[in-house]
Amino acid sequence: AQRVTQPEKLLSVFKGAPVELKCNYSYSGSPELFWYVQYSRQRLQLLLRHISRESIKGFTADLNKGETSFHLKKPFAQEEDSAMYYCATQEGGTASKLTFGTGTRLQVTL
Amino acid sequence: GAGVSQSPRYKVAKRGQDVALRCDPISGHVSLFWYQQALGQGPEFLTYFQNEAQLDKSGLPSDRFFAERPEGSVSTLKIQRTQQEDSAVYLCASSLVGLAAFYEQYFGPGTRLTVT
Repeated sequence: AQRVTQPEKLLSVFKGAPVELKCNYSYSGSPELFWYVQYSRQRLQLLLRHISRESIKGFTADLNKGETSFHLKKPFAQEEDSAMYYCATQEGGTASKLTFGTGTRLQVTL
Repeated sequence: GAGVSQSPRYKVAKRGQDVALRCDPISGHVSLFWYQQALGQGPEFLTYFQNEAQLDKSGLPSDRFFAERPEGSVSTLKIQRTQQEDSAVYLCASSLVGLAAFYEQYFGPGTRLTVT
């Protein structure tokens, strides 16, 4: 079974500092990996997926198959980045369930 | 257009009561998912529909949980004889399905169920 681990419940950084939200996964096949974000009083939404290799709102995430990691990074944190971040995997197939980690709350302070 | 909507947004039930949670997916979205999110946890998969067919119900925690989508659009998640451990946020998500490699799941705002 798939498993997603986010070791930090809370990550507090100063504005302008680098951010790294950790995610490790266990999956026997070729994983589809995602980061979802939930801002205060908003619904869960997709931030980025590994296969697109995009940078969204300054965030990037690289899939490291050797370390089975998919850490989310941003060089300079902004106040508006404060939110709950969830790493998720999806089994093969376009209409498959997502398996989420427990989430990390990112708090960006002045 | 409108996103996924869910009702009610909040529900308080006494232990032993039955509840029904509604999800209105985005128009035209064939796939519909239900997730349960307990406090301090990530969402956990409950069940999946493609149109009116329930293709996966492996995540339903007990036979007290039942979901339906009779006309392939609106879905209802029913919980019978609610227990305190059923207290959670219930999320609905919908997506397209087809030949593309990936279709984004769009989430609703959730229904917060509190069982007292």
